[in-house]
Amino acid sequence: RKEVEQDPGPFNVPEGATVAFNCTYSNSASQSFFWYRQDCRKEPKLLMSVYSSGNEDGRFTAQLNRASQYISLLIRDSKLSDSATYLCVVKTGGGNKLTFGTGTQLKVEL
Amino acid sequence: GAGVSQSPRYKVAKRGQDVALRCDPISGHVSLFWYQQALGQGPEFLTYFQNEAQLDKSGLPSDRFFAERPEGSVSTLKIQRTQQEDSAVYLCASTFLSGGNTEAFFGQGTRLTVV
Repeated sequence: RKEVEQDPGPFNVPEGATVAFNCTYSNSASQSFFWYRQDCRKEPKLLMSVYSSGNEDGRFTAQLNRASQYISLLIRDSKLSDSATYLCVVKTGGGNKLTFGTGTQLKVEL
Repeated sequence: GAGVSQSPRYKVAKRGQDVALRCDPISGHVSLFWYQQALGQGPEFLTYFQNEAQLDKSGLPSDRFFAERPEGSVSTLKIQRTQQEDSAVYLCASTFLSGGNTEAFFGQGTRLTVV
């Protein structure tokens, strides 16, 4: 079983839709959580950190459920420019290794 | 430069050839990471440096892979006797601090194709 699991998609949604991605992680000692965005043939870039209390950044909302070892990302009012792969990322322990999920591909269509 | 710089951007190697991939992190960044990303997959951790010390090399797939950061800034990832399964994008990332929710900044990667 992979340490971080995501549905690879693709998720094809119309512009303006709300879409949610889920991610599960296996190591209960994981301490820090992130969503990164990766455009085709580009490098990953931090979208947002995920906090226990949940956090929002404009149209993006991230939530963490430590008991279920589950992270989610909600995108409201999808834009064409949101089309990308969304990577769930976990940092475990005192080290700095980031463990990435496979990524979920989102395609926003007219 | 303003970001993480990697070179070359593209490398085609014949099977059995040695390659060296360079990463120039953001100035002042303490931590440096190498990741390998196969097509359709997320980045897989290879190794991590804090300054010049290689603190974790648990992700290096074989003893053909070697990384160094002798002066705590530029890093080189060397792959000896390349094999077709080494074909991937090799990403370098750096962070200013170690630990916590420090953002990792990635370079654009080196796309290695072994033929």
